[in-house]
Amino acid sequence: DADVTQTPRNRITKTGKRIMLECSQTKGHDRMYWYRQDPGLGLRLIYYSFDVKDINKGEISDGYSVSRQAQAKFSLSLESAIPNQTALYFCATSDLDTPNTGELFFGEGSRLTVL
Amino acid sequence: AQSVTQLDSHVSVSEGTPVLLRCNYSSSYSPSLFWYVQHPNKGLQLLLKYTSAATLVKGINGFEAEFKKSETSFHLTKPSAHMSDAAEYFCGLRGYALNFGKGTSLLVTP
Repeated sequence: DADVTQTPRNRITKTGKRIMLECSQTKGHDRMYWYRQDPGLGLRLIYYSFDVKDINKGEISDGYSVSRQAQAKFSLSLESAIPNQTALYFCATSDLDTPNTGELFFGEGSRLTVL
Repeated sequence: AQSVTQLDSHVSVSEGTPVLLRCNYSSSYSPSLFWYVQHPNKGLQLLLKYTSAATLVKGINGFEAEFKKSETSFHLTKPSAHMSDAAEYFCGLRGYALNFGKGTSLLVTP
């Protein structure tokens, strides 16, 4: 089983619908992140969480919200999806013990299409 | 400000020839730098990382990168490209998260 699991892997929805992307991890890491990937724009940070009680906005948080239900679970919600939120979304984790040097571990991504 | 610039959006090489993917960074303190690879329909996999130890870093699959402070660069190289190297490559700079460049798409032709 993957260390960082994202569900769903693919989702097609309509404008205005509420969507939740879920992420769970078995690495025991405290830090979790949500990124979106768009062609030609690389990966951009949406939200990040350093522990269950700590949630921070990234560079493109407008239109998104998150919930850290437990150390191992970090969900991303689109309250009212719009077409320009069509993208590939990645969840990632990192180790608290090496905050400035530790690598990120990524899930396999959730492809979201908003019609 | 922390930022990363990947200088080429696309690189094309022939199989068996060297690969060079360029990354420049801007950081107000000693940086931690990473290269990740993304194969089609896959997540990101770490190739290598620099965290203020040796300036020449060796990674997986024959890739290596050299940290040059004077040039604020961390270019990724491989002596001989293989067809399986065709993928998207991302350079990342560690802050509170990873700040990524926009990616370089590597095409390997037979």
